[in-house]
Amino acid sequence: GNSVTQMEGPVTLSEEAFLTINCTYTATGYPSLFWYVQYPGEGLQLLLKATKADDKGSNKGFEATYRKETTSFHLEKGSVQVSDSAVYFCALTDNNNDMRFGAGTRLTVKP
Amino acid sequence: EPEVTQTPSHQVTQMGQEVILRCVPISNHLYFYWYRQILGQKVEFLVSFYNNEISEKSEIFDDQFSVERPDGSNFTLKIRSTKLEDSAMYFCASSLSGGPTDTQYFGPGTRLTVL
Repeated sequence: GNSVTQMEGPVTLSEEAFLTINCTYTATGYPSLFWYVQYPGEGLQLLLKATKADDKGSNKGFEATYRKETTSFHLEKGSVQVSDSAVYFCALTDNNNDMRFGAGTRLTVKP
Repeated sequence: EPEVTQTPSHQVTQMGQEVILRCVPISNHLYFYWYRQILGQKVEFLVSFYNNEISEKSEIFDDQFSVERPDGSNFTLKIRSTKLEDSAMYFCASSLSGGPTDTQYFGPGTRLTVL
């Protein structure tokens, strides 16, 4: 079945460091891929998405490219801020619309 | 910006009691979902709902669960006889269409604690 595997955390970085959170997927069809972010005490917010191979999603300095050949959708940001501290979830939807999530990666950015 | 809202934010109940978790989806959305996240585990799909019917459900969504859209704005999840293992954060979501490319917008969640 469909599934998402993402890099286990927690990840701790200093402000302005480069961020990569790895995400790979298994799907039977042609999934859409998403990154959601959960700030402390809040719900899941869509960060970015890509719906077909080679698409790049981007938002707030974050970006991820849908790589079909490596079944990956790694999240990157060139310079993280303290306000980026949150839990990041990679997710996919396939032919049906039940969203499959990765386990989440907790990011802490220190000043 | 429109958002999904959920009430209550935290519900504490005794094992065996019934609970109803409430959600108000974004007003022009047509598809509604419930997910749960047991502490420290993945967010898991429970059910999707469209046109007053369940369109998909997971193996988690057994006979003790039911969903309803009692009026034009609310979407509820009922757990008939709660068990300790039902303790989790429950997220409601909605989307404009049900296609796999469509974005699902999530509420802030209801934390359910079963004692």
